Amino acid sequence: QVQLVQSGAEVKKPGASVKVSCKVSGYTLTELSMHWVRQAPGKGLEWMGNFDPEHGGSIYAQKFQHRVTMTEDPSTDTAYMELSSLRSEDTALYYCATPVVLPALDYWGQGTLVTVSS
Amino acid sequence: NFMLTQPHSVSESPGKTVTISCTRSSGSIASNSVQWFQQRPGSSPTTMIYEDNRRPSGVPDRFSGSIDNSSNSASLTISGLKTEDEADYYCQSYDNNNRNWLFGGGTKLTVL
Repeated sequence: QVQLVQSGAEVKKPGASVKVSCKVSGYTLTELSMHWVRQAPGKGLEWMGNFDPEHGGSIYAQKFQHRVTMTEDPSTDTAYMELSSLRSEDTALYYCATPVVLPALDYWGQGTLVTVSS
Repeated sequence: NFMLTQPHSVSESPGKTVTISCTRSSGSIASNSVQWFQQRPGSSPTTMIYEDNRRPSGVPDRFSGSIDNSSNSASLTISGLKTEDEADYYCQSYDNNNRNWLFGGGTKLTVL
């Protein structure tokens, strides 16, 4: 049974950084391509990027190119997404998601709420 | 770069059929596969359709997907609507140019 378990909610001040974790169980992280998707309150899904093992690095959406870093720790099967220079518009639920069985995002974490407020 | 445009909301009665469209702004809709996700309030999204028209095991055959080259759009059709189908639905595809994945803006389905 594959599970993605994310870290708990965070409250950050504008300008700070946040690092969200996503621990994989039931599978080996290095065999997966972990994606990060966010959803602002009452808004739609927004793809942020993914770690692409086939290309040996991360692909980021242009909007986040200079502020996001996606990394992985194979020793703990944990993926991380760090977003810097936070602003109020970054308040959102952040999901990790990955294709496992299907060629689609068929497994999702439970989401991590990041609130940016002064 | 392209965008995927969905209607903001649709509504239909139980037992009826509804179709949600997803129009690609540039490039052919057939260039990259389209997936459809269902998201109920307070829950993570789940895959309803992948590779344009394939249904994961466990998804009722009331759900079907298709693409239409003439309108450059993908569609999710739900037949025999049930109140439990009330949710937000998102299409998703891939941009070869920048290797980005992207979602449509989402459609709120109301079954009343």
